[in-house]
Amino acid sequence: EDQVTQSPEALRLQEGESSSLNCSYTVSGLRGLFWYRQDPGKGPEFLFTLYSAGEEKEKERLKATLTKKESFLHITAPKPEDSATYLCAVRAGGTSYGKLTFGQGTILTVHP
Amino acid sequence: GAGVSQSPSNKVTEKGKDVELRCDPISGHTALYWYRQSLGQGLEFLIYFQGNSAPDKSGLPSDRFSAERTGGSVSTLTIQRTQQEDSAVYLCASSPAGTGVGANVLTFGAGSRLTVL
Repeated sequence: EDQVTQSPEALRLQEGESSSLNCSYTVSGLRGLFWYRQDPGKGPEFLFTLYSAGEEKEKERLKATLTKKESFLHITAPKPEDSATYLCAVRAGGTSYGKLTFGQGTILTVHP
Repeated sequence: GAGVSQSPSNKVTEKGKDVELRCDPISGHTALYWYRQSLGQGLEFLIYFQGNSAPDKSGLPSDRFSAERTGGSVSTLTIQRTQQEDSAVYLCASSPAGTGVGANVLTFGAGSRLTVL
């Protein structure tokens, strides 16, 4: 069974304090690992897709990396507006496009 | 439309009643998905539409749940004889054509929060 585990469950940072979120996964034939951001009362918003070990993607203060067993979302010099829940998801081989297995998420709070 | 639109945004119902949740995807997106997000649980896949067909219904939790899509656009998720454990946020997402890199990128709506008393 495909599994995604995110840690920590919650992370509190001071503005400017860099850190990383972890996503460990077990999947048969990875066809993509996805990071989404979710603000309260809204649906998840797409951030990145990673397909193979060693791949990296960047967007503003966020950088996502991928190994064969886990992915990291690095946040450099975060700002209060980066506060949100960050969700990791995988698509397994042989599954429908868009049929993703999600982790429970990491709730990030950045204090000014 | 500019984004994925869902209605109602909030629905409170009594146990045993039927409910219908509506999703209007991004114009031109042929793929449509329903997910459920419960307190303390991650997003859970329910069903996938490509056009008006549902090639993957594997996530529907019971036969009380059904969904349809008409005209390759609007979709309705119906829950019959609602139970308290059905309380959750029901999220709809859409994506471009069902194959290729873009098909993996889901755009979600804001969700319909269902509370069953």
